[in-house]
Amino acid sequence: ILNVEQSPQSLHVQEGDSTNFTCSFPSSNFYALHWYRWETAKSPEALFVMTLNGDEKKKGRISATLNTKEGYSYLYIKGSQPEDSATYLCAFQDSGGSNYKLTFGKGTLLTVNP
Amino acid sequence: KAGVTQTPRYLIKTRGQQVTLSCSPISGHRSVSWYQQTPGQGLQFLFEYFSETQRNKGNFPGRFSGRQFSNSRSEMNVSTLELGDSALYLCASSLGGAYEKLFFGSGTQLSVL
Repeated sequence: ILNVEQSPQSLHVQEGDSTNFTCSFPSSNFYALHWYRWETAKSPEALFVMTLNGDEKKKGRISATLNTKEGYSYLYIKGSQPEDSATYLCAFQDSGGSNYKLTFGKGTLLTVNP
Repeated sequence: KAGVTQTPRYLIKTRGQQVTLSCSPISGHRSVSWYQQTPGQGLQFLFEYFSETQRNKGNFPGRFSGRQFSNSRSEMNVSTLELGDSALYLCASSLGGAYEKLFFGSGTQLSVL
């Protein structure tokens, strides 16, 4: 059973703060690591798909890094805004027979206070 | 471009009944995946279909089944419902290749009484 852990479980920050959270995944059989944002009453939305060790992705104020050798990825949000409030999910895709299956972590719930 | 459409949005059933959920993917997407979300759990993978073939299956009992039609629309069926089947069921579509991001529907909230 694959274990994908996210920390912290929840986070409260003030508008303008920068923040980051962690996703830990198995360091063997790596295929890809996904990040999704899930706002309340909406559908999860893809942020990044990361495939190579050392990958860095950026979308506006949000960026992510990937370390496949040690099995972790960081998501950074610079200058948090209230509209960034959401649950951030990471999902691991392994290179075994389950290429098309994503194993999700339980998410980090971010609340940005105005 | 229309997004992923799931119907119905809400469903209430009683134990022992069966239920069928529907998912229409984004036009051109050939892969449909199904996930279950329960309180305290992350999204749990049910199965994935591509061009009418199941490519992957999660660790769920045989009461959970699915299928995909030639137009890529997919249905998920749960037979002999149990209280623990109460959950949000999400489907997601993609082009179906490696490293593809998923596009999720709004989900079907199933309550089993």
